[in-house]
Amino acid sequence: QVQLQESGPGLVKPSETLSLTCTVSGGSISSYYWSWIRQPPGRGLEWIGYIYYNGIMNYNSSLKSRVTISVDMSKDQISLRLSSVTAADTAVYYCATYYGGNFYHWGQGTLVTVSS
Amino acid sequence: EIVLTQSPGTLSLSPGERATLSCRASQSVSSTYLAWYQQKPGQAPRLLIYGASSRATGIPDRFSGSGSGTDFTLTISRLEPEDFAVYYCQQSGSSPIFGGGTKVEIK
Repeated sequence: QVQLQESGPGLVKPSETLSLTCTVSGGSISSYYWSWIRQPPGRGLEWIGYIYYNGIMNYNSSLKSRVTISVDMSKDQISLRLSSVTAADTAVYYCATYYGGNFYHWGQGTLVTVSS
Repeated sequence: EIVLTQSPGTLSLSPGERATLSCRASQSVSSTYLAWYQQKPGQAPRLLIYGASSRATGIPDRFSGSGSGTDFTLTISRLEPEDFAVYYCQQSGSSPIFGGGTKVEIK
């Protein structure tokens, strides 16, 4: 069973870069697309982007200019970087497997607050 | 860009009752790429239905999905206490998008 664990700073200052890591266990990085999804407090889900181990990627057009998702197969990790953050980027960030158009396995999520 | 509109926003029902949740797309979407998720407070979403009508692994048969084109439905035949949660539909065309969610609360 694939298990995902998000990690990273819980507090980021405005205008800085948010950096999160998702560590994968129980499965192969090459078996799935890997996605990041976020959820502002009390609100709905927003897809951020996905990546495949061979470099295929797709980002939400509304975030594309600020997002970078990468894969480190040696560490079984997927990373998210979101630059120039504002309070609107405060959210729980989830990593998830993406296959056949569906999000199958989810991490428990990590709350990132943007505040000075 | 496709927009998914879920209704109602909140559904107040009693255990044992039937729940019918709607997801309407702003343009026709492929049933192959229409999914439903359940999210309980403090938890990550869980895949319930994929391909509009196929249950994911371990999902009880009281959950069923139907629909095509622009109109899709998630039905919970008899609500159990653990079914009170928020439900999201999601489609994957060129980019995945989620509906705004329907909260099923205890009446």
